[in-house]
Amino acid sequence: DAGITQSPRYKITETGRQVTLMCHQTWSHSYMFWYRQDLGHGLRLIYYSAAADITDKGEVPDGYVVSRSKTENFPLTLESATRSQTSVYFCASSESRGHPQHFGDGTRLSIL
Amino acid sequence: AQTVTQSQPEMSVQEAETVTLSCTYDTSENNYYLFWYKQPPSRQMILVIRQEAYKQQNATENRFSVNFQKAAKSFSLKISDSQLGDTAMYFCAFGPNFGNEKLTFGTGTRLTIIP
Repeated sequence: DAGITQSPRYKITETGRQVTLMCHQTWSHSYMFWYRQDLGHGLRLIYYSAAADITDKGEVPDGYVVSRSKTENFPLTLESATRSQTSVYFCASSESRGHPQHFGDGTRLSIL
Repeated sequence: AQTVTQSQPEMSVQEAETVTLSCTYDTSENNYYLFWYKQPPSRQMILVIRQEAYKQQNATENRFSVNFQKAAKSFSLKISDSQLGDTAMYFCAFGPNFGNEKLTFGTGTRLTIIP
């Protein structure tokens, strides 16, 4: 089915470990985004990408790395996980400016 | 930078009643987009409604409508004939018309529909 898929849906890991969250969309949307959702903060942008090989920082980029070698994939890597990165992570994509962003189902990440 | 404020952390209403969720924003831009997203307990983020700032007419989608007051920078969501399935977190979001596609979200309003 067409859409945007995130994996895994749940992940538990330990501090200091590297973890990668995957995001795949089948619409060939140009824009892709990573958000984290925490109580009291709503959704905050981590990184975004306007096209393959073009990425830029959002509001809370520290401790995260992204890449976009293909239009359809936009993985998010926590290079050395910390407890403060425990959160729900959402990937989204958008066709162009002004169009709604379509969200994946989210990944709940717990760092012990 | 834009900011979005949702001043009602929680609301509840009886089934079949009408409820209005408030949202205000701050921007120096003249053209932009506004969105309401719904997040039910399933955690999905679902688009409810979209408004283009250059359009004076308020957007409507079935039981959902907005009251867009550009001068006041206000963008409230009205849900008519509320249903149990409307129970969710509701997020207001601002999208620019120029530059990148970044959305700025409010902190959300938790809406509970009481049977």
